[in-house]
This record gives sequence, C-alpha cells and structure tokens, in this order.
Amino acid sequence: AQKVTQAQTEISVVEKEDVTLDCVYETRDTTYYLFWYKQPPSGELVFLIRRNSFDEQNEISGRYSWNFQKSTSSFNFTITASQVVDSAVYFCALNDYNTDKLIFGTGTRLQVFP
Amino acid sequence: EAGVTQFPSHSVIEKGQTVTLRCDPISGHDNLYWYRRVMGKEIKFLLHFVKESKQDESGMPNNRFLAERTGGTYSTLKVQPAELEDSGVYFCASSQGVLGGADEQFFGPGTRLTVL
Repeated sequence: AQKVTQAQTEISVVEKEDVTLDCVYETRDTTYYLFWYKQPPSGELVFLIRRNSFDEQNEISGRYSWNFQKSTSSFNFTITASQVVDSAVYFCALNDYNTDKLIFGTGTRLQVFP
Repeated sequence: EAGVTQFPSHSVIEKGQTVTLRCDPISGHDNLYWYRRVMGKEIKFLLHFVKESKQDESGMPNNRFLAERTGGTYSTLKVQPAELEDSGVYFCASSQGVLGGADEQFFGPGTRLTVL
C-alpha cells in the first residue's frame, strides 16, 4: 500500500533558524511523483515542488531546498533562515502515476516566531 | 486567472440534514478532484472526475455521498443525510490533465463542514 509519513506534528523555531521537515513514503511503484504543498492560514493548498522518481537531484529555490533519497524513501524539505511568513502547515504527498490521486501525509505545522 | 473556488467556506448543520458543497475549477481544467481532511489527520482522496465522467471514486466513504459534475464544469458534493463523522474540511482541486500523475493539482480554500 502507498503511504506518506510526516512524523513531525508541529515544529516551532525562531526567525532566521534553519528548519527541516521530514517526509517518508512507501510505494511499490517504480514510477511515481512526490509533492510538497503549503497551507497558509487562508486555507488553500499552495504547490511548492514536484519531483519524479527518476530524478534524485536535490533542488534549491531561494530559501527552500529539497533532498530526495530513494535509498531511504525520503523527500525532506529544508527552509533556510526561516521567516514569520513561513508559518503554515506543510504537506508532503505521493502521486501514483496511473491513478492521479494524491496520497498525503498528516502535515507538519511550522510556527516561526519573531 | 481565477483559481479554484469553493462554496460555502463554512457550513454548520445538524445530524440528519443535507448539505451540498460546490467547486468551480480553473477554467479549462478537465480534471477535478475532491479530498477531505478530518481534524488532525491526513488529507484523503474522495474522487476524481475527468470532464463529466467519474474516473475514480474509490475514496467515497459510503452512499450518503454523491458527487456530480454536469457539463464538465463545476462540481457538487452532496452529503445526505449528514453524520457527525462527516465533519472536516473538504478540498477541491483541478488540473489540466496533460501530464497525468505528474500534473500539479491546484487546490481551493476548502469548505469547513461541521455536523452537530
């Protein structure tokens, strides 16, 4: 069965600290996609990144970076020099290439204090 | 370009009543999805439309839930009769359908349903 685990329920940091959100997934498929979404207080889910199973290169986008390791089935998300605006719930998700549906983790609530 | 919109944003009903949630996807998006998040748990898939056809409804909890997408545009999700365990946030998402499972799904702000 496919599953996404986000073991960290809530993380609190002080502004400018670096923070890593963990994501571990389970799938038997060889082709799959991994996503991160951000849910700010306004409620909608905002797409952050998509990574396919054949591309293990790490990615950096500004203060955000993602580490994809197939050997440990992990797709971790790091925010460098966190800011108050980063406060949100972050969801990791797995998509089966054949069915299109997203399988989400339970989310990690990040609170960044000034 | 307008994003995915959902109506209402909040709904409070009593057990046994009927509620209808509406989702307007991004114009031109053939794929429309419904998801639900029960408090503190993961967001769970309910069903997937391609245009007006149900592609996958494996996540629908039971026959008290009925989803429609007439004309392949907006979609409605009706819960009748509502039960306490139906409380949660119902999200709608849409995608173009070009890349299949790789498509970015664009989410609406959700409808928070509370059944008393």
